[in-house]
Amino acid sequence: SQTIHQWPATLVQPVGSPLSLECTVEGTSNPNLYWYRQAAGRGLQLLFYSVGIGQISSEVPQNLSASRPQDRQFILSSKKLLLSDSGFYLCAWSRRQGLEQYFGPGTRLTVT
Amino acid sequence: EDQVTQSPEALRLQEGESSSLNCSYTVSGLRGLFWYRQDPGKGPEFLFTLYSAGEEKEKERLKATLTKKESFLHITAPKPEDSATYLCAVYQAGTALIFGKGTTLSVSS
Repeated sequence: SQTIHQWPATLVQPVGSPLSLECTVEGTSNPNLYWYRQAAGRGLQLLFYSVGIGQISSEVPQNLSASRPQDRQFILSSKKLLLSDSGFYLCAWSRRQGLEQYFGPGTRLTVT
Repeated sequence: EDQVTQSPEALRLQEGESSSLNCSYTVSGLRGLFWYRQDPGKGPEFLFTLYSAGEEKEKERLKATLTKKESFLHITAPKPEDSATYLCAVYQAGTALIFGKGTTLSVSS
């Protein structure tokens, strides 16, 4: 069976500090991978998605970036965090575009 | 304008009181509609996929249905453990999933 991991589970970072969130998937190969941010009252916002190693598409301009160094690893980064980056970050995978996505447990980020 | 609208935003039920959640969408060329359950502080859990009008899926006390403009999630004789936020998402060819803002269901005993 497939499993998706995210870490850390919670993170408190000062404004201007860097960020690195990691997501890994087990039990499948060549998955589509996604990063979402969920803010209260605003629903799930797609940030990045990837259909393969080194292939990243950005949905929303921002100070965040994503990388996919390995087939089942997806990383969300920032060089300098803003207060507005606070939120619940979710990683998800699917077998291909348009099929159901399976979500990880999420990372709660608070920027102070 | 939201392409996926869920109603109501919040719903309170007594245990055993059946009801329905609505997800209406305005996208054309729907290629799939997805229902998820999300517990506080956790990632969404996949429930159902519906592909064409008239299709129905069931799981325990939940049944999802689809028409050309909306989907319903029917909850029959709910229990307190059914309390969660239910999310709807649609897929339009060539785009990412578009999520609604969810309906928060509270079931009291």
